[in-house]
Amino acid sequence: EAAVTQSPRNKVAVTGGKVTLSCNQTNNHNNMYWYRQDTGHGLRLIHYSYGAGSTEKGDIPDGYKASRPSQENFSLILELATPSQTSVYFCASGDELGGREQYFGPGTRLTVL
Amino acid sequence: QQKVQQSPESLIVPEGGMASLNCTSSDRNVDYFWWYRQHSGKSPKMLMSIFSNGEKEEGRFTVHLNKASLHTSLHIRDSQPSDSALYLCAASVDMGYKLTFGTGTSLLVDP
Repeated sequence: EAAVTQSPRNKVAVTGGKVTLSCNQTNNHNNMYWYRQDTGHGLRLIHYSYGAGSTEKGDIPDGYKASRPSQENFSLILELATPSQTSVYFCASGDELGGREQYFGPGTRLTVL
Repeated sequence: QQKVQQSPESLIVPEGGMASLNCTSSDRNVDYFWWYRQHSGKSPKMLMSIFSNGEKEEGRFTVHLNKASLHTSLHIRDSQPSDSALYLCAASVDMGYKLTFGTGTSLLVDP
């Protein structure tokens, strides 16, 4: 089964600080995704990538940047964290070889104080 | 921007009963629907997907799709307490890899 890991699993940050969430996948999937999940909003797509060096804006990109330095790694960066970014963040990977199924990591719970 | 609506928001069924969950897309170019299941505190996992009109069955789970009405439904027969979870519907358009998720249906199976 596809393996996607995330670090850290929990993070407390201060308002205005910089936060980096990391994601690693070992299945050689081309596509990777960052979502946030909030009660009442389901999963919302922040950024995604079709391969190393590429990043695309999702549905709610404001306040977030993404970086895909390699096939395996995809990071989400909050340059100036705000309390409204308190959420659970999920990374996922997948591609056409897997029938476009997305495999999710375990999630990172971020609290911005 | 596509919207995916799910109903009901929450559902309680007795153990052994039938659970029926609904999902509709706002985009006429939708080509694929997925159903993901997310147990409390865990990450979503894909349950079933469908892209052709009609019905698809896997064990106790059946998915229906009506492309004309952009509507899919998930039916769980002989529901078990382990089926208690958040069920998320997702859709893609134009053969793309980007998914839009609904807000989910929270299912509780009452033993």
